[in-house]
Amino acid sequence: GAGVSQSPSNKVTEKGKDVELRCDPISGHTALYWYRQSLGQGLEFLIYFQGNSAPDKSGLPSDRFSAERTGGSVSTLTIQRTQQEDSAVYLCASSYRAQETQYFGPGTRLLVL
Amino acid sequence: AQTVTQSQPEMSVQEAETVTLSCTYDTSESDYYLFWYKQPPSRQMILVIRQEAYKQQNATENRFSVNFQKAAKSFSLKISDSQLGDAAMYFCAWGFYNQGGKLIFGQGTELSVKP
Repeated sequence: GAGVSQSPSNKVTEKGKDVELRCDPISGHTALYWYRQSLGQGLEFLIYFQGNSAPDKSGLPSDRFSAERTGGSVSTLTIQRTQQEDSAVYLCASSYRAQETQYFGPGTRLLVL
Repeated sequence: AQTVTQSQPEMSVQEAETVTLSCTYDTSESDYYLFWYKQPPSRQMILVIRQEAYKQQNATENRFSVNFQKAAKSFSLKISDSQLGDAAMYFCAWGFYNQGGKLIFGQGTELSVKP
């Protein structure tokens, strides 16, 4: 695959359930980013990975949010005990190195009922 | 606080005309870079153009060019010969060389193109 892929494309869940969102970056890209886009808003940074390490987690809104990256490739963003305010589009981006141009995936639209 | 402001929530342009989208930012950092991304209804964020703050020359990419005024902290995007496919939400964003590359985004400008 040439671009960043994310799954699922859409996710509907009930309040209180846990969800996992997956991101497959461009092959060879060492940096990976997660952003959240609430309705009608700009993108809000969540977390940055360099390899498998997360030197910047400053954007995670609460301890219900966590993320990991394995093998320097795939990343999973987990939201525990989802709340209605978690409803948003979650976008993943990758770049060859930090500070280089980020390429985005199509996003996962999460709806918490 | 490091902020990005796009003061035009919506803009409209006639096909084949030129339109300018504005963006201002506030930072005390000196080493940074700026982007314009477009987001069509498909949700996919697409890179339009990148500008390094240390470069005086304005970046251009085909019909897209920027007017970067570092002292004024202004970074506008000019789209020439507008096409129907340019209709999208446009986001201004910036990143810092000492902050791992995370981007700070503006609120976006919705551009419509009239045939």
